[in-house]
Amino acid sequence: KNEVEQSPQNLTAQEGEFITINCSYSVGISALHWLQQHPGGGIVSLFMLSSGKKKHGRLIATINIQEKHSSLHITASHPRDSAVYICAAQYSGGGADGLTFGKGTHLIIQP
Amino acid sequence: DTAVSQTPKYLVTQMGNDKSIKCEQNLGHDTMYWYKQDSKKFLKIMFSYNNKELIINETVPNRFSPKSPDKAHLNLHINSLELGDSAVYFCASSQDWDKGNTIYFGEGSWLTVV
Repeated sequence: KNEVEQSPQNLTAQEGEFITINCSYSVGISALHWLQQHPGGGIVSLFMLSSGKKKHGRLIATINIQEKHSSLHITASHPRDSAVYICAAQYSGGGADGLTFGKGTHLIIQP
Repeated sequence: DTAVSQTPKYLVTQMGNDKSIKCEQNLGHDTMYWYKQDSKKFLKIMFSYNNKELIINETVPNRFSPKSPDKAHLNLHINSLELGDSAVYFCASSQDWDKGNTIYFGEGSWLTVV
């Protein structure tokens, strides 16, 4: 069964800290997505990556295909970064499973 | 303009009723999805349509029936609603279903069955 494991489940940090959220997955993905769910509930796609590293503003996503591991980093964190961050794996082999989601990391950045 | 829009945003209804949630995307994507987020905030795919054709049908009660009149629309119809159907339902779309494309989500529809 394809699974996605995220850690930590909950993370509270002070404004300005460097944040890392980790995601591990099973074999054979075609892509890995990082999503952000705001307290109001809306979901925004942050990154979609299949290799290497992507950067957008203060957010950086990396993936290591050999280790089946991805990380989401937030530099100079800010209270507005408080949200749930969800890792989702898109498995290859026909895409029959669609997206498999991690359980999310609830991030709180305190001023 | 909203890329993926779903209506209604909030729906409170009684057990046993039949209800529909509509979804439209204006991105020209070929693939649309319905996801369910349960009370523990865990997201799970329900259905996927590619060019109006059903691709994924996860283990979902057959009271749930997706309908895709054209590739820009994927509506979710639910018969005989049960308390356990209370959840947030997200519609999403992507260019393809088997490649790594960015997925665009609607804002969610909060369904409460009483």
